[in-house]
Amino acid sequence: KAGVTQTPRYLIKTRGQQVTLSCSPISGHRSVSWYQQTPGQGLQFLFEYFSETQRNKGNFPGRFSGRQFSNSRSEMNVSTLELGDSALYLCASSLTRTGGNSPLHFGNGTRLTVT
Amino acid sequence: QKEVEQNSGPLSVPEGAIASLNCTYSDRVSQSFFWYRQYSGKSPELIMSIYSNGDKEDGRFTAQLNKASQYVSLLIRDSQPSDSATYLCAGVIYNQGGKLIFGQGTELSVKP
Repeated sequence: KAGVTQTPRYLIKTRGQQVTLSCSPISGHRSVSWYQQTPGQGLQFLFEYFSETQRNKGNFPGRFSGRQFSNSRSEMNVSTLELGDSALYLCASSLTRTGGNSPLHFGNGTRLTVT
Repeated sequence: QKEVEQNSGPLSVPEGAIASLNCTYSDRVSQSFFWYRQYSGKSPELIMSIYSNGDKEDGRFTAQLNKASQYVSLLIRDSQPSDSATYLCAGVIYNQGGKLIFGQGTELSVKP
């Protein structure tokens, strides 16, 4: 069974631009969560989508948004990029909603660099 | 207090020794916990999950959950250099709709 697939693997953008990241979950998984990972802050929860609805959101500004499609694929968008948005963005999928006993399975991540 | 806390390390152990990784959690965190391993430049991979008080063993790994003291630990027996990685503890906060919160991670170095 294929794992979680994230595209692209690397992105370089300039301040003020916007970016869209894509995530395809493991087949059959309906929940997709997004995390930001930086050396200083560690893994920070961005949001979770389940059945095309955002179910939970972390403490990030409104510039960070996402959506989920009917096939469970998800996209994350960051508008008006800032230097501090440089990070590894990780997508994770699980069989059921976060909070159950279904663990998260992570993709390889998208490394975003903002210059 | 952070919701999930870990010592950042680095923790250094000789090959063949037992590595002990610890994690404490706040009242806001539920009783479902997960240990992930992250190699440098890679994404986190699930090692073990533990949901009930006590020990859970899987090969060289043993997870321990102590609800009274609010800590969860991971023991790695017969540590190998290939175990050198950052280990992340994660717990679920239920009263916010259920989200998985990670500790900062503990860097483990196993010396040959």
